[in-house]
Amino acid sequence: AQSVTQPDIHITVSEGASLELRCNYSYGATPYLFWYVQSPGQGLQLLLKYFSGDTLVQGIKGFEAEFKRSQSSFNLRKPSVHWSDAAEYFCAVGHKAAGNKLTFGGGTRVLVKP
Amino acid sequence: EAQVTQNPRYLITVTGKKLTVTCSQNMNHEYMSWYRQDPGLGLRQIYYSMNVEVTDKGDVPEGYKVSRKEKRNFPLILESPSPNQTSLYFCASSFTGFLTDTQYFGPGTRLTVL
Repeated sequence: AQSVTQPDIHITVSEGASLELRCNYSYGATPYLFWYVQSPGQGLQLLLKYFSGDTLVQGIKGFEAEFKRSQSSFNLRKPSVHWSDAAEYFCAVGHKAAGNKLTFGGGTRVLVKP
Repeated sequence: EAQVTQNPRYLITVTGKKLTVTCSQNMNHEYMSWYRQDPGLGLRQIYYSMNVEVTDKGDVPEGYKVSRKEKRNFPLILESPSPNQTSLYFCASSFTGFLTDTQYFGPGTRLTVL
């Protein structure tokens, strides 16, 4: 069965500093990988996704993620964080063999200090 | 405006009292899904539907029912709610499969079962 681990439950970062959120998955084949953001009181919004091609993926709001097959990782990065980036971030993985199921990680809550 | 709507947004009920959470999308999407979100567990899929009258179980279907009689609507039914179903519920939809197409999420329904 596929699984996703987000090792960091909380991260605090200063406004203007860089941000990296970790995501590790377990599945034998190349998965479909996603990052979603959930702002307070809101539903989830897709930031970016990967399933083939260039392993560095650009998303919305200035985020990018890099797929590293050797490390089974799909870490999310942003060079300079804005106060509006304070939210909870979820990594998710899917695979065609598993049908239309997405498995989500437990989430990482990001706090932005002024 | 393209959106996924859920009602009610907040619900407090008692054990055993049947309830329905409605979900509607106005984007003519084929796929719809229900998730529950619990702290530290991320989102877990309850049921999904690939089209009218076609539904399938997700990872945590026990205690829930769904129906898809119209393309735009996908209600979640709790026949006999129990306290362990206290959670934040999200409905989502996508035009094609969840892996290849963007999922759009509703604003969430916070359910408390006493």
